[in-house]
Amino acid sequence: GAVVSQHPSRVICKSGTSVKIECRSLDFQATTMFWYRQFPKKSLMLMATSNEGSKATYEQGVEKDKFLINHASLTLSTLTVTSAHPEDSSFYICSASPPNEQFFGPGTRLTVL
Amino acid sequence: QKEVEQNSGPLSVPEGAIASLNCTYSDRVSQSFFWYRQYSGKSPELIMSIYSNGDKEDGRFTAQLNKASQYVSLLIRDSQPSDSATYLCAVGSDYKLSFGAGTTVTVRA
Repeated sequence: GAVVSQHPSRVICKSGTSVKIECRSLDFQATTMFWYRQFPKKSLMLMATSNEGSKATYEQGVEKDKFLINHASLTLSTLTVTSAHPEDSSFYICSASPPNEQFFGPGTRLTVL
Repeated sequence: QKEVEQNSGPLSVPEGAIASLNCTYSDRVSQSFFWYRQYSGKSPELIMSIYSNGDKEDGRFTAQLNKASQYVSLLIRDSQPSDSATYLCAVGSDYKLSFGAGTTVTVRA
């Protein structure tokens, strides 16, 4: 299957700082990338859909000014958690989509102190 | 709201047995259906996709789809301890996926 990478895999930061997470499709071009958040023992919740060269589409209840998404190329999307707070601590997972299927990155564990 | 329902489990099966997982969904216009396996602390891994009614087999896995009844299932034959994980059902429409909460499977040696 297709390979999607994420960086960093784990980050610990102080409250109030911003954290950038990168998602790359390594062996295919992804017109669309998705960002999910998963809390412990819960399922994946879609945060936003990112299309190359255009603004991201955010799901209801997700603050676009807090979770900044940039999809500058067909292989790279970034999620920036701005002014992070402890309640933002979660497992953030991106996926990239060739037609019909989504392949997930390995995830980024964010801990905000 | 598009809902995807799964039994949370845990589902405990002996090694070598068949594990049967079920999933129902609410959006009748859903077009694509997936089963993902997720190990603790890891991201989901695609194991099966199915798009039309009937059965689809891939190795020890068989997915079954019934659009009229709005359910999709996954059978794992000859279960192995390495199959112990949480299995997520995902339903796609408009290029988005909606996930169930997952069924935790434990295969006892």
